[in-house]
Amino acid sequence: DTAVSQTPKYLVTQMGNDKSIKCEQNLGHDTMYWYKQDSKKFLKIMFSYNNKELIINETVPNRFSPKSPDKAHLNLHINSLELGDSAVYFCASSRQPDTEAFFGQGTRLTVV
Amino acid sequence: AQSVTQLDSHVSVSEGTPVLLRCNYSSSYSPSLFWYVQHPNKGLQLLLKYTSAATLVKGINGFEAEFKKSETSFHLTKPSAHMSDAAEYFCVVSDRTGNQFYFGTGTSLTVIP
Repeated sequence: DTAVSQTPKYLVTQMGNDKSIKCEQNLGHDTMYWYKQDSKKFLKIMFSYNNKELIINETVPNRFSPKSPDKAHLNLHINSLELGDSAVYFCASSRQPDTEAFFGQGTRLTVV
Repeated sequence: AQSVTQLDSHVSVSEGTPVLLRCNYSSSYSPSLFWYVQHPNKGLQLLLKYTSAATLVKGINGFEAEFKKSETSFHLTKPSAHMSDAAEYFCVVSDRTGNQFYFGTGTSLTVIP
C-alpha cells in the first residue's frame, strides 16, 4: 500500500484555469505538508497543516489554498493558474513534530 | 531560524570509490536532521535521520552520516559508490515544532562506471 499518494501524477492545463491536486496518507499521521520543487530542484514549503493549525508560507500567493476534508487528506487547490506555477508539487506527512516526513511521488504541473 | 547549506551542487565519483556529500546546518537549538534521496522522476525517499541520539547515524543502502555539533555539519558518506546511487540528495533540517522541514538546494551525485 502506498503511504502517501498524490493524484494526478501529471497535470497539463492552460493559464487561467483552476485545478486541484489530491493527497491522501494512510499512515495515521497528524501533520501534512505541501512542497513546491522548482526547475532547479529546490524544495520550498508551501503549507503545513494538522488538525489544529494551518501554517502558511507567507510567500505563497493566495491563489493557492489547502483543503482538508479529514485528517488523512490535504488537497491543494490553485486558482487562476499562471505559467510560473509550473513545477513539481509534493505532498508529505509526518507522525509528530521532529519525526521524518514521508513524501508522495509528486505531481508535475505544467501550465501552458 | 533554521537552514541548511549543501556545499556542493554536483559531485562525481567513480564506481567503487567513497562518496562524501557535505551539509552544514544553522539552528538556534539542537536540530533534527535528515538526508533524502530523489532518483530521476521519482519521489523523495528518506535515507537516514538524526534526532539527538547517536551522533553516527546509519541509513539505508550503506549510507551513513555523522552529526558534529562543533562543526555544525551533517555530512553524508558511503564507502563504495554504486551506479544505482546516482541521484539528487537533499539535506533537511526541521524546526522545533516539526511544522516545517527546510531543504538544502540539493547535491547531484554522478557515478562514473
